[in-house]
Amino acid sequence: DAKTTQPPSMDCAEGRAANLPCNHSTISGNEYVYWYRQIHSQGPQYIIHGLKNNETNEMASLIITEDRKSSTLILPHATLRDTAVYYCIVRVGNIGTSYGKLTFGQGTILTVHP
Amino acid sequence: EAQVTQNPRYLITVTGKKLTVTCSQNMNHEYMSWYRQDPGLGLRQIYYSMNVEVTDKGDVPEGYKVSRKEKRNFPLILESPSPNQTSLYFCASSLRTGSSYGYTFGSGTRLTVV
Repeated sequence: DAKTTQPPSMDCAEGRAANLPCNHSTISGNEYVYWYRQIHSQGPQYIIHGLKNNETNEMASLIITEDRKSSTLILPHATLRDTAVYYCIVRVGNIGTSYGKLTFGQGTILTVHP
Repeated sequence: EAQVTQNPRYLITVTGKKLTVTCSQNMNHEYMSWYRQDPGLGLRQIYYSMNVEVTDKGDVPEGYKVSRKEKRNFPLILESPSPNQTSLYFCASSLRTGSSYGYTFGSGTRLTVV
């Protein structure tokens, strides 16, 4: 699975958009980009995923560059409850020893302040 | 409510005393997996199961056993726990192992082995 690079920490003001970047320059054509978050030792929570096109759901939007080497997770109106560690993961599901595994990096600690 | 349920949430035990951490999902998911989370090491996969009676090792399987006799349950067994297995454990499930499926995680089990 491709490796990802994320900034270790970011700050955001409550009510503003939080834009979390992720670099995945070695991504393969069949690898998806996933975002999860973990709020203080709770179980990681799935946010969104995409392959090529931009995606939006009730939680967030995912913008993937045309060359797929980077992506941005957007929380449109951040709240204090969005303070968490955000993980960007790229993976393919069914090949070799990575079968089904999510490889978590260190993620980005997002702090939303009043 | 669709969820992954782990029990217990907290457990303190002594070295060598066999224990089982249970994991159950009510979503008819085929894929289930166990992770451990340690400071500085992130989340690492212990074992996974692609379906009933199909299990395989993850990255850190030493000292652990699993079984998958029913689709909904995937217990983690520590036959002879040691202090280096003190960790935060998460169970996760997914409809299937393909890239287009997100994972649902349990709330975690904090295990301390003294």
